[in-house]
Amino acid sequence: DAGITQSPRHKVTETGTPVTLRCHQTENHRYMYWYRQDPGHGLRLIHYSYGVKDTDKGEVSDGYSVSRSKTEDFLLTLESATSSQTSVYFCAIKGQGPDTGELFFGEGSRLTVL
Amino acid sequence: KNQVEQSPQSLIILEGKNCTLQCNYTVSPFSNLRWYKQDTGRGPVSLTIMTFSENTKSNGRYTATLDADTKQSSLHITASQLSDSASYICVVSALSNDYKLSFGAGTTVTVRA
Repeated sequence: DAGITQSPRHKVTETGTPVTLRCHQTENHRYMYWYRQDPGHGLRLIHYSYGVKDTDKGEVSDGYSVSRSKTEDFLLTLESATSSQTSVYFCAIKGQGPDTGELFFGEGSRLTVL
Repeated sequence: KNQVEQSPQSLIILEGKNCTLQCNYTVSPFSNLRWYKQDTGRGPVSLTIMTFSENTKSNGRYTATLDADTKQSSLHITASQLSDSASYICVVSALSNDYKLSFGAGTTVTVRA
């Protein structure tokens, strides 16, 4: 158990509304990531963070923003949700020590945009 | 563009039988390759990780192989159990930017009694 908690686990919202997903970790890891997973696609990187207030874009960052004000929390915000953002979102942390480079994933947040 | 292709997309096997999943990649320069297992409704969990110098690694009934020359990997499941029903994802890391992983779309394995 890598101590990763995602919330909410399920959310249904309407087009045009803002949505924030939260990832909380208890292991003090430096690197945190947000991915989305869609049928027929591999996991795709949205944004990642390499420290407090240090973030960068991934391959599918349009329409998403992130913030990391504390080591333990990494927030993903959909500023104005669209139906194309219906997906399962996974937070991950990069392991340290013997697990260096290994990714540990949260349980996912299923978002439906109507 | 770095790509990871997995085959088959899905397969059904009877409990107790063996199966092999394939992963071909074009990621370069290669750093390492991981296989993950993802149960329905859960996050992926690592099974194995292999570097350039490793060509076989086992984790219980799971055995991964790597041929860095042909850029191919396989995951062999021996004596399958119902709990092996899951999606198996191949993930390849490039040497220069480890955080930029390339994910395959996964192979869905269904084990039937």
